[in-house]
Amino acid sequence: QQQVKQSPQSLIVQKGGISIINCAYENTAFDYFPWYQQFPGKGPALLIAIRPDVSEKKEGRFTISFNKSAKQFSLHIMDSQPGDSATYFCAASRKTSYDKVIFGPGTSLSVIP
Amino acid sequence: DTEVTQTPKHLVMGMTNKKSLKCEQHMGHRAMYWYKQKAKKPPELMFVYSYEKLSINESVPSRFSPECPNSSLLNLHLHALQPEDSALYLCASSYQSGGWSEAFFGQGTRLTVV
Repeated sequence: QQQVKQSPQSLIVQKGGISIINCAYENTAFDYFPWYQQFPGKGPALLIAIRPDVSEKKEGRFTISFNKSAKQFSLHIMDSQPGDSATYFCAASRKTSYDKVIFGPGTSLSVIP
Repeated sequence: DTEVTQTPKHLVMGMTNKKSLKCEQHMGHRAMYWYKQKAKKPPELMFVYSYEKLSINESVPSRFSPECPNSSLLNLHLHALQPEDSALYLCASSYQSGGWSEAFFGQGTRLTVV
C-alpha cells in the first residue's frame, strides 16, 4: 500500500520555467512533510519541509504548498535551472514515529536549456 | 561538518562471502539509519539505532546484521546475500530520535551480489 503518492513520475521543464510536483497522502496522523533532492550517485538531501499548520513555505526558488483538507502538498521550483535536474522525493512522517519517514515514489526532473 | 561517510563506495561480493559496510558521522547525532535503495525507487528503511540501541528493524532478513559500536559508527554486516540484494545502501543520521530532526544521508555503498 502506497502511503504517499507522487506525480508525475518524470518531468521535463525548460530552463526558467516552473516545475511542479504533486503529492498526496491518506494517513491523517502524518504531521511532517519533507522534500528530498537526490542527484545521481549521491544520497538524498533535505530540500525543504513543512508542517500541516502552515499552508505555504518558501525557501529561495522552492515553495511547498499544503492543502490539509485535501491531504495534498506540492513542490514548486521557480526559475528552474539545469542544476535542479535530479530526483525529488516527497515524504511524510508522524509524531509517534518520526524515524519512519515514508517516501513517495519519486519524480525525475530534467531541466533543459 | 555535516558529513556522513560511508565505505566502501562500491562492493562486489559473492553469495557465500561475508562483508561489512561502514558508516561514520561526527555531528553528535544520536540516531543512525540504514536504508536500501533500488534503482529508480525511493529509499526503504531497514534499521534505526537510537542512542546506540536498535529501535527499529523493518523485518529485514537475518542475512543483514546491523551493529552500532559507538555513537559515531554504524556497521552493516552482510552474509549469504542474494543477487536481489544488489542495491545502493544508504546510511543516515539525525540529531535525535523521537522528534523530528533533519536526516543527513551518506553517498551510499553500491552493492552488487554475484
